[in-house]
Amino acid sequence: SQTIHQWPATLVQPVGSPLSLECTVEGTSNPNLYWYRQAAGRGLQLLFYSVGIGQISSEVPQNLSASRPQDRQFILSSKKLLLSDSGFYLCAWMADEKLFFGSGTQLSVL
Amino acid sequence: QKEVEQDPGPLSVPEGAIVSLNCTYSNSAFQYFMWYRQYSRKGPELLMYTYSSGNKEDGRFTAQVDKSSKYISLFIRDSQPSDSATYLCAMRTSGGYNKLIFGAGTRLAVHP
Repeated sequence: SQTIHQWPATLVQPVGSPLSLECTVEGTSNPNLYWYRQAAGRGLQLLFYSVGIGQISSEVPQNLSASRPQDRQFILSSKKLLLSDSGFYLCAWMADEKLFFGSGTQLSVL
Repeated sequence: QKEVEQDPGPLSVPEGAIVSLNCTYSNSAFQYFMWYRQYSRKGPELLMYTYSSGNKEDGRFTAQVDKSSKYISLFIRDSQPSDSATYLCAMRTSGGYNKLIFGAGTRLAVHP
């Protein structure tokens, strides 16, 4: 069966520090992968999606970037975090036209 | 105007009650409608997935879509304390696999 792994579960980082969040999917090949952000009391905002290795589409211009170095690996990065980058980050993948989410990373930038 | 509107609640009901959760939308091209359940600090879990108008039932959950009114609902029968969570509606157009639009979520609390 397909599973998605996302880590770490929580992260506290100082302003100006770099960021790397990783997501991997098992049990499938060439999945569409997504990074979402969820701010407190707000809906899910699509940040990036990827339909294949090295193929990244950015939905919102911001302080973040994404990369897909391997078929089942999706990475969210930042060179210098801002306070406004705080939030709950979710990796997701699509199967049978349905979107499935990982467990999420709660990022606090202080 | 947001594409998808959802009352944030919170909605508090006694155990055993029938719960009605709703979303309205503005884009008449939306064809696929979903409901997700999200527990605190967890990723959303897909509950219901429906296409176009009509009803879909799965156990205690019923999803209803009224495209003429641009209105979708999720009904929970015999609600349990374990149903306490945030419920998110989501929708997309045909072929819009990468453009899923989410509501802000409704917080539900079911008390014993």
